[in-house]
Amino acid sequence: GQQLNQSPQSMFIQEGEDVSMNCTSSSIFNTWLWYKQDPGEGPVLLIALYKAGELTSNGRLTAQFGTTRKDSFLNISASIPSDVGIYFCAGHFNFGNEKLTFGTGTRLTIIP
Amino acid sequence: NAGVTQTPKFQVLKTGQSMTLQCAQDMNHEYMSWYRQDPGMGLRLIHYSVGAGITDQGEVPNGYNVSRSTTEDFPLRLLSAAPSQTSVYFCASQGSTEAFFGQGTRLTVV
Repeated sequence: GQQLNQSPQSMFIQEGEDVSMNCTSSSIFNTWLWYKQDPGEGPVLLIALYKAGELTSNGRLTAQFGTTRKDSFLNISASIPSDVGIYFCAGHFNFGNEKLTFGTGTRLTIIP
Repeated sequence: NAGVTQTPKFQVLKTGQSMTLQCAQDMNHEYMSWYRQDPGMGLRLIHYSVGAGITDQGEVPNGYNVSRSTTEDFPLRLLSAAPSQTSVYFCASQGSTEAFFGQGTRLTVV
C-alpha cells in the first residue's frame, strides 16, 4: 500500500522560531491535507491543498502541494506556545475513493 | 455544531470482554471511518463505510467489527478485547476529501 514518510519525527524549538516539516509519498496524491492534534484531542484540519504547486496560507501557517504531487510541506512562522502538538499530513489518492493515507506525525515542542 | 461525537472518552476493559465504541456525525457525510493511534504509528485505518449498509476493511481490521445502519452512526465493536487493542480510537466523518475527527476514545485492555 501507499506510504507517507513525514519528517522530522519531532522538533524542539524556541518560541519565535520558524518551523518546517514535510511529507513524501511513494505514489501521487490528488489532495494533501495538514492536521494538528492537541494533547487529548482529535486531529483538526489546518490546510487543504488540491492542486500541484498550490501554496496556501492559514495565518502563520503556509503549506505547499509539491509539483511532483508526491510531496507536501508545512511551514509555521514565529512559533507561539499554542503551536505545540502533533502535525499530521494526509494524502487523498483517487477522486471517488475517499480513503486517506496519514503520515506518522511531527511532534512539535517549544522549549521555554 | 456537534460535528463528530464519540463515546465513551475513556474505557478500561478486561481481556476477553466486549464493548462498542459509538460514533455519530451530523454533517450528512456518506464516508465514515475508524482509526487507531499508537505511539510512533500515526493513524491506522481499521474499517470504513461509504454509506449506510456498506462497510469495508482498512489496514488493521482484525479483532474489530463494524456496521452502518444509518448515515449518522458508525459503531465499532470489539468482540473479545486483547491487550494489543490498547490504543486511542478516532472516528472520522469525511466529505469528498476533508475528514473531521471526533475527540477520541482512550481504551486500555488489562
